[in-house]
Amino acid sequence: AQSVSQHNHHVILSEAASLELGCNYSYGGTVNLFWYVQYPGQHLQLLLKYFSGDPLVKGIKGFEAEFIKSKFSFNLRKPSVQWSDTAEYFCAVKGDSSYKLIFGSGTRLLVRP
Amino acid sequence: KAGVTQTPRYLIKTRGQQVTLSCSPISGHRSVSWYQQTPGQGLQFLFEYFSETQRNKGNFPGRFSGRQFSNSRSEMNVSTLELGDSALYLCASSRSLADNEQFFGPGTRLTVL
Repeated sequence: AQSVSQHNHHVILSEAASLELGCNYSYGGTVNLFWYVQYPGQHLQLLLKYFSGDPLVKGIKGFEAEFIKSKFSFNLRKPSVQWSDTAEYFCAVKGDSSYKLIFGSGTRLLVRP
Repeated sequence: KAGVTQTPRYLIKTRGQQVTLSCSPISGHRSVSWYQQTPGQGLQFLFEYFSETQRNKGNFPGRFSGRQFSNSRSEMNVSTLELGDSALYLCASSRSLADNEQFFGPGTRLTVL
């Protein structure tokens, strides 16, 4: 069965600090990978996605993620966070033979000004 | 292009009652998926509809049901409400079943007293 693990449940950073959120998945086949963000009081928005090709994908608002197939990982990074990045971040996986998105438990990021 | 809309945004019910939630997908999107989001269980897949037919179903009891209309709008119904049904119910739309990218609505916050 597919599963997604996000190792950090809560992260607190100061503005301008670098961010890396971990995401590992378990699935034996080809996967499609996503990072979603949920700002306070707002709906889930797609940050970035990986379907195939270059394993380093760039998303909105300066975020990027790297797919490392050998490690079953899809970590999210941002070189310099801003206060406005305070939100909950979800990693999600959809297997090539699956019909549903499997979400990780989420990471709450608080950026202190 | 308007995004996914969900009504109502907030709902308070008592145990034993039933509730119907509505979702209007992005224009041109024909697939609608429903998710339940709770602090304890995170985001869990409920079901997916395409061309007025339920195509996939998650691990929820039969009290949870849904339907889709010819204009792709979808409704979700929960009967005999339990306290544990309190959650944010999210609807997501995509162009088709094969489309991996889903766009989420703002959700309906259901509170069961």
